[in-house]
Amino acid sequence: GQNIDQPTEMTATEGAIVQINCTYQTSGFNGLFWYQQHAGEAPTFLSYNVLDGLEEKGRFSSFLSRSKGYSYLLLKELQMKDSASYLCAVRDNYGQNFVFGPGTRLSVLP
Amino acid sequence: DSGVTQTPKHLITATGQRVTLRCSPRSGDLSVYWYQQSLDQGLQFLIQYYNGEERAKGNILERFSAQQFPDLHSELNLSSLELGDSALYFCASSPSGADTQYFGPGTRLTVL
Repeated sequence: GQNIDQPTEMTATEGAIVQINCTYQTSGFNGLFWYQQHAGEAPTFLSYNVLDGLEEKGRFSSFLSRSKGYSYLLLKELQMKDSASYLCAVRDNYGQNFVFGPGTRLSVLP
Repeated sequence: DSGVTQTPKHLITATGQRVTLRCSPRSGDLSVYWYQQSLDQGLQFLIQYYNGEERAKGNILERFSAQQFPDLHSELNLSSLELGDSALYFCASSPSGADTQYFGPGTRLTVL
């Protein structure tokens, strides 16, 4: 079966660093994606990992460990506009199906 | 703006009715995905089309159907609507069907 777990909610302070974890158990693996979604809006792509290690993209970084079925999204220098839900998604072994986690709602406080 | 368009933006209808949601993918993208997102659930994958052919099927009810036309736009048909079908319906597109997905703005369906 397919299962992706993320914390439901997180709170952090403006200017701080926050790490959002994602664990997955899927029937296959062909890449992990992170999306940001503001309330009532469409998800937007943040990052993609297919090999183990860290991918850095400005204030956002994403890490993957395939052996552990684990990823995290690291957000640095938090801004108020980063308050949103962050969705972890896994592409299955056949590359045809995407499974999304429940999302982590991040609140950035002043 | 992702380049994916969806119409209508809002739709209000009654139980038992039938509606059609439309999606135009980004220029050049061959694959279209449909998702449902309700308040108490995350994104639920419904169905994927690639260049006119059904490629993958997720948690799509039998009352729902979709197709992708030769010009690559797609339609999601929802019939015998129930109150629980009220949700945001997103369409996403990708170049090949195994890439990053670009989401449209969504259609908010309200069933009364």
